[in-house]
Amino acid sequence: DAGITQSPRHKVTETGTPVTLRCHQTENHRYMYWYRQDPGHGLRLIHYSYGVKDTDKGEVSDGYSVSRSKTEDFLLTLESATSSQTSVYFCATQPGTDTQYFGPGTRLTVL
Amino acid sequence: AQRVTQPEKLLSVFKGAPVELKCNYSYSGSPELFWYVQYSRQRLQLLLRHISRESIKGFTADLNKGETSFHLKKPFAQEEDSAMYYCALGTTTGNQFYFGTGTSLTVIP
Repeated sequence: DAGITQSPRHKVTETGTPVTLRCHQTENHRYMYWYRQDPGHGLRLIHYSYGVKDTDKGEVSDGYSVSRSKTEDFLLTLESATSSQTSVYFCATQPGTDTQYFGPGTRLTVL
Repeated sequence: AQRVTQPEKLLSVFKGAPVELKCNYSYSGSPELFWYVQYSRQRLQLLLRHISRESIKGFTADLNKGETSFHLKKPFAQEEDSAMYYCALGTTTGNQFYFGTGTSLTVIP
């Protein structure tokens, strides 16, 4: 599991509230990713990081921001949550050009 | 543009029958292909990578560059194979993975 944890594991929030999801890794992997998983869409990349303070947008970045101030932590923030952001969010890490390792996921419901 | 296509959203087979999950990709460079498996409400786990050419849990997958395919096969399906399977394309630049939409496999006892 590459020592990847996500918090919280479940969250219910209301439309318009800010939400921050945390991904923590203990493997010192350089690359970190945030995906959302939705039926019929599979996994879609939101943002990724290739080092501390180095981040870039993925396929579905609108409405999301990220920060990485330490190698081990990658935060995903929904500035103002909407119902369309109800999803399961997965964090992943990658040591180099090797495969990606996934966290357990966070189930977010926006009412 | 990079793309991964898994044409079957749902696939049901009987226990003991052969199973093939299809994956096609589009990429102009040298691809790295992976299969990930996700059991019910669990995290995604790497099942196979094309570069290692190994068999895991009886599954194999061969990269066919001519047909741009990386189909996953198993000769005799087991009930514990029921899961969601994702094909993924890794690119040589950018360190991004592109995932297909997944195939939900159900093995009927």
